[in-house]
Amino acid sequence: GEQVEQLPSILRVQEGSSASINCSYEDSASNYFPWYKQEPGENPKLIIDIRSNMERKQIQELIVLLDKKAKRFSLHITDTQPGDSAMYFCAASQGGSAKLIFGEGTKLTVSS
Amino acid sequence: GGIITQTPKFLIGQEGQKLTLKCQQNFNHDTMYWYRQDSGKGLRLIYYSITENDLQKGDLSEGYDASREKKSSFSLTVTSAQKNEMAVFLCASRDWGTLYFGSGTRLTVL
Repeated sequence: GEQVEQLPSILRVQEGSSASINCSYEDSASNYFPWYKQEPGENPKLIIDIRSNMERKQIQELIVLLDKKAKRFSLHITDTQPGDSAMYFCAASQGGSAKLIFGEGTKLTVSS
Repeated sequence: GGIITQTPKFLIGQEGQKLTLKCQQNFNHDTMYWYRQDSGKGLRLIYYSITENDLQKGDLSEGYDASREKKSSFSLTVTSAQKNEMAVFLCASRDWGTLYFGSGTRLTVL
């Protein structure tokens, strides 16, 4: 089945700098790539997603990039704030399937 | 807006015990999921269901059964609890792309 690898597992950045998280997937049929943010004690919430007909998507300070040839996608948080500190999960879903596989997660800490 | 309710919030079991976790959603979503999250780790898919009475295995289905008798509910059974097992089980329903998660059931096996 689909596997999603996510790196790094731990990421520490200074407030105001950028943070980048990278994910790779195996199944070339995957066509939907969401990102979820999970704050301590909370359940995961969707923050941004991208479909395979796009290469780049931006919502405010969040940018996702998709490289279908390399089967990689990434999340970039520009101008990080302490409130961005959380666990971030990437995921991939195959076309025509409801199966959604998550990466192992990245613990982001933004220090002021 | 809708809500996903998972019961119980905390579940303590004994080794070898059969344990059932319940999930209800009032979004009227077709697709529902069960994920397991170990402390500080990612979400691993146990079962999912695309409609009432449909069940599809995830990568972690061994040791679990699921039931989707109604569109609004999706239950998960741990068939034989493992000693010292500790994890949070998250239920979710899906609207087009977005998964909406419940607050989880925290399982501890003594």
